[in-house]
This record gives sequence, structure tokens and C-alpha cells, in this order.
Amino acid sequence: RKEVEQDPGPFNVPEGATVAFNCTYSNSASQSFFWYRQDCRKEPKLLMSVYSSGNEDGRFTAQLNRASQYISLLIRDSKLSDSATYLCAVNGRGGSYIPTFGRGTSLIVHP
Amino acid sequence: SQTIHQWPATLVQPVGSPLSLECTVEGTSNPNLYWYRQAAGRGLQLLFYSVGIGQISSEVPQNLSASRPQDRQFILSSKKLLLSDSGFYLCAWSLSGVAYNEQFFGPGTRLTVL
Repeated sequence: RKEVEQDPGPFNVPEGATVAFNCTYSNSASQSFFWYRQDCRKEPKLLMSVYSSGNEDGRFTAQLNRASQYISLLIRDSKLSDSATYLCAVNGRGGSYIPTFGRGTSLIVHP
Repeated sequence: SQTIHQWPATLVQPVGSPLSLECTVEGTSNPNLYWYRQAAGRGLQLLFYSVGIGQISSEVPQNLSASRPQDRQFILSSKKLLLSDSGFYLCAWSLSGVAYNEQFFGPGTRLTVL
């Protein structure tokens, strides 16, 4: 099993839709979790951290499920500008602070 | 606020030529620094990381090397480039000694080896 796995997609949704991505991780000792957004040919940018209690920022909600070892990202009321690749990152390696990234999930929001 | 710079933005090099990519961070001290490569359609591959001046850890054995001559400067080098070295090279930093360790990426260098 890969350390961090994501469905590559693409997820093709209309404007205004709600879409959710999951990211599974294999290291049960992982302590910190993040979602990044990467636009085409650009660097990844931190979208939000994922806390045990969940995290909400406007239309974006991130949650952690430790029992099933996955994190999720929910986007409500999708905008055209949300089209991007969403990467999850999980710190692991026996508690190391170096995160492992998933390959990303591609989101396409169409009119 | 902190900023991270990388240059050059794009680079086209022949096989067998040397490489030097530079990354600098402003607005923070003693950051952890990282070099990643992202090949077309692939995920982020961690190449090197550094927790301090002169301290380099290599993640993947290859013909690349890294150096950290100053606290906020990280350099990626190669003596002879291979075709397989083509990719998007990203430098990142994070706060040292912090449990929740978000990384912040530079704008990247797109390298094409011909």
C-alpha cells in the first residue's frame, strides 16, 4: 500500500456543485495533515491544515478520520476558479516532520 | 512575512551539462529547506532536505547533489545532466522544530534536458 493515496480524477463538476475528495494514508502514527492546491505549471500552495476537530474556511471543509486513516476535502458551491489539482500531504516516517505528498486529484469546474 | 525565491524560472540544458539551481528564503531564520522534483503527470518526489547549514539529507540516490552554504540558501547541482532529470524543481521551506509543519513552496524551475 502506498503511503499516501489519492484518486487522480479528474472530477468534472458544474459550477455550484459540491465535491469531495479523499486521501488515504498508511502510517497510523501520522500527526499532521494538509491540503494544497496546485494550478497548472505552478507551485503547490497551502490551502488548509487538517486538525483532529476538522477545519472550515469559507467554502472549504477539511476533516480527518483517524480510525479509517483518511482525510477529506469538501468544496461547496464550486467556482470555475476552483479548477486545479488538490494535493494532500501527511507527515509520517515515524514522527518525522517531513510530509509525504499524494499525487493529487484533478478538479475541473465547468460552466 | 516570509518569501521564497527560485531561479531561473525555466532552463533548457543539453545532456551532460552541469546544473545549478538556487533557492533563497527571506523573513525567517534557520528554516528547514527541501528540494522536490515533479515530473510531468507525477507526484512530488523529495530529493533533499536540510535542517541547518551544511546539513543535507538525500532521499533518492542519483546524479544530483545539494548544498546549504548559508542559513537561507539552498542549492541543487549536477555535474552531468541526464534526460531523466527533466522536470519541475521546487524548493520549499518550513519552520524548524514545529510539530505541525506546513511547507511553503517557491515558484519552481522548469528544467528541460535535451
